[in-house]
Amino acid sequence: AQSVSQHNHHVILSEAASLELGCNYSYGGTVNLFWYVQYPGQHLQLLLKYFSGDPLVKGIKGFEAEFIKSKFSFNLRKPSVQWSDTAEYFCAAKRNAGNMLTFGGGTRLMVKP
Amino acid sequence: DGGITQSPKYLFRKEGQNVTLSCEQNLNHDAMYWYRQDPGQGLRLIYYSQIVNDFQKGDIAEGYSVSREKKESFPLTVTSAQKNPTAFYLCASSIGPPVSGRYNEQFFGPGTRLTVL
Repeated sequence: AQSVSQHNHHVILSEAASLELGCNYSYGGTVNLFWYVQYPGQHLQLLLKYFSGDPLVKGIKGFEAEFIKSKFSFNLRKPSVQWSDTAEYFCAAKRNAGNMLTFGGGTRLMVKP
Repeated sequence: DGGITQSPKYLFRKEGQNVTLSCEQNLNHDAMYWYRQDPGQGLRLIYYSQIVNDFQKGDIAEGYSVSREKKESFPLTVTSAQKNPTAFYLCASSIGPPVSGRYNEQFFGPGTRLTVL
């Protein structure tokens, strides 16, 4: 069965620190991977996605993620976080068939001003 | 103002009662989804519907029921058979049924937090 795992449940950083959130998936076949973000009190929204091509994907608000096939990973990064990045982040993978997503457990990021 | 609305934002029910959560979208999307969000478990798919009058069970459908009589509406009923119904429920929609090798982005509503007392 497909699964997506996120290593850290809670991350606390100071402003300007660098961020890396881990995500690993466990299934074969064509891989479509996503990061979603849920800001406090707001809708879940798509941050970035990987389908094919360049494994380094750039998203909104300065976020990027790198697909490493050999490690089954799709880690999210940002060089310098801001207080406004405080949110919960979800990694997700598209199932082989259909439009359904499998989500990881989420990582709560708190950025201290 | 286009989007997905879920009502109410907070809902309280007594144990043993059925409760229906509303989800409406005016995006003209064919596909709609219901997820349950629990701390540390991410989002888990309850039911999805690719088109009107059709719906399929997701990973955790037991204790839930849905209907899709209109394109814009996909209500979810949490029945008394659901053993642990207290959770945050998210509805989503996408432009159409899945096409092989292609992903249609899912757009999410604001969610309903259900507490069963």
